[in-house]
Amino acid sequence: SQTIHQWPATLVQPVGSPLSLECTVEGTSNPNLYWYRQAAGRGLQLLFYSVGIGQISSEVPQNLSASRPQDRQFILSSKKLLLSDSGFYLCAWSLKQGTNEKLFFGSGTQLSVL
Amino acid sequence: GNSVTQMEGPVTLSEEAFLTINCTYTATGYPSLFWYVQYPGEGLQLLLKATKADDKGSNKGFEATYRKETTSFHLEKGSVQVSDSAVYFCALGHSGGYQKVTFGTGTKLQVIP
Repeated sequence: SQTIHQWPATLVQPVGSPLSLECTVEGTSNPNLYWYRQAAGRGLQLLFYSVGIGQISSEVPQNLSASRPQDRQFILSSKKLLLSDSGFYLCAWSLKQGTNEKLFFGSGTQLSVL
Repeated sequence: GNSVTQMEGPVTLSEEAFLTINCTYTATGYPSLFWYVQYPGEGLQLLLKATKADDKGSNKGFEATYRKETTSFHLEKGSVQVSDSAVYFCALGHSGGYQKVTFGTGTKLQVIP
């Protein structure tokens, strides 16, 4: 069966510090991978998606970047965090085929930038 | 572009009450529609889905019917339990090389004994 691991679960970082959140998927090959952010009182915003190794697409301009060094590894990074980067970050994966494939989400990382 | 509008929360209900969470959407073409649920401290998980007009998705006593004429996908449950307390997200999706899923803002449900 497929599983998705996301860590850390919580993170408190000072403004201006770097960030690295990691997500790995097991039990499937060549998945689509996603990073979402859920800000307080707002819905989920798609930040990045990837259809393959080294292929990253950004949905919104921002202070963050993403990388996919391996087929089932997706990393969210920042060189210098801003206060506005605080939020709940969710990694997700999906199969490639079909129009109704669901997203499988990780358990999320609560990031507080102080 | 695609958008999803769901009713504002929080919604507070007594156990065994009837639940409706409204969801309407704007989309081109024929999207799939989803309800995801997020329990406290966890990621989202799919609750139910419908892939075409008049389809009814159901799971764990929850139901939602894909209404193309009213562009709606309202979530209902006949008798809620305390364990149903969570945030519920309506979403629509298209496939275009990746799953283009647009989420609503979420509705927090609190069920009290």
